[in-house]
This record gives sequence, C-alpha cells and structure tokens, in this order.
Amino acid sequence: DAKTTQPPSMDCAEGRAANLPCNHSTISGNEYVYWYRQIHSQGPQYIIHGLKNNETNEMASLIITEDRKSSTLILPHATLRDTAVYYCIVRVEGAGGTSYGKLTFGQGTILTVHP
Amino acid sequence: DSGVTQTPKHLITATGQRVTLRCSPRSGDLSVYWYQQSLDQGLQFLIQYYNGEERAKGNILERFSAQQFPDLHSELNLSSLELGDSALYFCASSPSQGGPGANVLTFGAGSRLTVL
Repeated sequence: DAKTTQPPSMDCAEGRAANLPCNHSTISGNEYVYWYRQIHSQGPQYIIHGLKNNETNEMASLIITEDRKSSTLILPHATLRDTAVYYCIVRVEGAGGTSYGKLTFGQGTILTVHP
Repeated sequence: DSGVTQTPKHLITATGQRVTLRCSPRSGDLSVYWYQQSLDQGLQFLIQYYNGEERAKGNILERFSAQQFPDLHSELNLSSLELGDSALYFCASSPSQGGPGANVLTFGAGSRLTVL
C-alpha cells in the first residue's frame, strides 16, 4: 500500500468547510483513496473513497489531484459532531486474495471543530 | 447503530486470564475483521474471516485466536492475558471478499479490555 502523510491536527470553525489534505505520492494506478474517521473511542466510520474522479456523498466530497499524488477531504459545513480523527488510506480495491479489508490506519488528522 | 454488535462493551480482568469477545456482523455481511487499538500502537488489523474461513492474518499474537461460526458471528479469544493486551478491540464487517467496496468496512462500537 502507498504511504500516506496527513497533518497531525487541524482546526475548523463550526459552519465552515473543513479541508483535510492527504499526500500519497507513491500511489499506484490501481490504488484507491479511502477516508475513515473515528470519533473519540468509537468505531471507525467509513466516509468516502475514490480512484481519480472527484466523489461526493451525503457526508463529504473527495477531491483527487490529476496526478493522484494528493487528495483533499471536504466537509462542507462542519459541525461540532465532526470533531474526530480522520484517516486517509490508500488501498487496492477488490484486490481479492487475502488483502482486502486489511486496512492500515496511520496516525490520521485530529480535526477539532470549535463554536 | 452501525449494525455490527460487539459484546461485552467493557471487560476488566486479571493477568493470566482468558476472555472471549463476541461480534455479530451486519445482516448480510459475510466477512468479519478484528482490529486492536492500543494507545501506543494505534489501530491494527488482527485477523479476517469470510463465511467461516480464515482469510487473512495481521500481527495477531499466538495467544489470540478467533473463529467465525455458521451463523456468521465471530469470537476473538484472548488467553494468558498481559497488561499490554489492554486495548479497544473492534470488529468490522463487509459484504464481500473482493470486488468493489471490499475495503468499505462497517465497524462496531468496540470492546474495551482492561487487564489489571
């Protein structure tokens, strides 16, 4: 799996957009970018994933640069409940064999949303 | 509620003891994964089962074992417990063993194990 680099912490004001960056400069052509988050001591929660096109769902948007070496998770209107650790993970989708679901969680970015 | 049920939520035991953590996956999911989260190691993959069969192993200690039963629930057995085994243990599930969405996991709320 490609290595990812995230800032250790970020702050965001409630109601504003939170933009969380992730660098994955060694990403391979068949590797997807996944984002999970973990609210304090709760189980991690899947947010979104993508290969090369920008993706949007009800939780967030994912912007992947054209060279795929970095991406940004966007929470459009952050709330206090979005305070969590956000993990960027690069993984081959549907690798089959024994490698799927074996996610490597790094240190992530601690996002603090303040009033 | 994610649909993945873990019991017990909290467990306190002594060194040398054995405990069993239980997980019921989300309805329809055939794959079950176990992860350990300790303060110094972060979230680490332990083991994965698909439809009753072991499919992948991570850094799981020999003192730990797991199984998935015909009804698809899974149990993680931890024996000869040491202080360092104190951690949050998460179970996750997914519908498939490959293909699109194979890395989209649904996690349970976790079981917090404290070894004294």
